[in-house]
Amino acid sequence: ETGVTQSPTHLIKTRGQQVTLRCSSQSGHNTVSWYQQALGQGPQFIFQYYREEENGRGNFPPRFSGLQFPNYSSELNVNALELDDSALYLCASSSDRVNTEAFFGQGTRLTVV
Amino acid sequence: AQSVTQLGSHVSVSEGALVLLRCNYSSSVPPYLFWYVQYPNQGLQLLLKYTTGATLVKGINGFEAEFKKSETSFHLTKPSAHMSDAAEYFCAVSASGGSYIPTFGRGTSLIVHP
Repeated sequence: ETGVTQSPTHLIKTRGQQVTLRCSSQSGHNTVSWYQQALGQGPQFIFQYYREEENGRGNFPPRFSGLQFPNYSSELNVNALELDDSALYLCASSSDRVNTEAFFGQGTRLTVV
Repeated sequence: AQSVTQLGSHVSVSEGALVLLRCNYSSSVPPYLFWYVQYPNQGLQLLLKYTTGATLVKGINGFEAEFKKSETSFHLTKPSAHMSDAAEYFCAVSASGGSYIPTFGRGTSLIVHP
């Protein structure tokens, strides 16, 4: 039990649709990061938020966007879904910007058909 | 730039045998290094980390890893494998003094035979 919860656990969407994934971080954790994990691969960094501002972004197109809220919750939004967006999406929270100890949620399995 | 190479996508051991999972990294600045474990349909759990100080790092569940700068390695070991150790293991590196965004390896699946 990491104290990081993600919803929903599974989701099926149609190509071209939009999706919002949610994450609730541990209380007091000011940093939240989102990762995409394709089947059989390691997690790929999407972006990171620190105190509600984006402070790092990986090699993902602008249709991947996010928000972090004062209540330690955050969202990952993906527009114009593509088949290759099918993956496990992981949220991780940390009490510091350097991510020396990140706590991961169980992830949301997104399937795009 | 930073990268991680995990040698062997699958490692198979017998219960009670030594576990050795290999990780080599590249980083232009002193690295922070991590090992995570992932059980099926779950998120990642931190096993251990190296930031500064002692190069031999002990983690949870009897795992340890040694940071060897000259070899750019951070191999994970456990003296005696248990059936419950069967899982996917990921090595990650982040750059100290930089953005601290971790880069993960592709993972090694540990299979434990009775």
